[in-house]
Amino acid sequence: EDQVTQSPEALRLQEGESSSLNCSYTVSGLRGLFWYRQDPGKGPEFLFTLYSAGEEKEKERLKATLTKKESFLHITAPKPEDSATYLCAVINTNAGKSTFGDGTTLTVKP
Amino acid sequence: NAGVMQNPRHLVRRRGQEARLRCSPMKGHSHVYWYRQLPEEGLKFMVYLQKENIIDESGMPKERFSAEFPKEGPSILRIQQVVRGDSAAYFCASSRQSGGGETQYFGPGTRLLVL
Repeated sequence: EDQVTQSPEALRLQEGESSSLNCSYTVSGLRGLFWYRQDPGKGPEFLFTLYSAGEEKEKERLKATLTKKESFLHITAPKPEDSATYLCAVINTNAGKSTFGDGTTLTVKP
Repeated sequence: NAGVMQNPRHLVRRRGQEARLRCSPMKGHSHVYWYRQLPEEGLKFMVYLQKENIIDESGMPKERFSAEFPKEGPSILRIQQVVRGDSAAYFCASSRQSGGGETQYFGPGTRLLVL
């Protein structure tokens, strides 16, 4: 069974303090790994898709990387508006469904 | 290009009533997925549908829950005889091609409260 574990559960940063979120996964065959951002009371907002180990994607202050066992979401010089829950999900080559982690809740203090 | 639409956004039902949640996928998307999110928990897969077909319902409870995606109209998630434990946020997502690798885009969710 596919499994996704995200750490830490919660992360509090000062504005400008860079850090990384971790997503460890177990899947028989990785078709894709996805990062989403979810604000309270809203649906997940797509951020990145990664398909193979070594791949990297960047968007503003966010950078996602992928290895064969885990993915990192690096946040450089975060701002208060980056505060949200960040979700990681994987899709198995043999399935259409996504398996999600429980998320990391990021709080950035000004 | 409108995103995934869900309605109602909030739904209140008494125990034993039926709940119907609707989802209209993004334009050009023919694959729909339903997820449930309990308070303080992650998203749990329920069902994956294409037009007129259920592809994977491995996450659906065996009783009281059903889903459809007709040839015309939105996808419907139906919960019969609701119980308090059904209170959750239900999210719909859609994708252009099959779930393998294609990005799923989410709607705003329906928050179901069972009294």
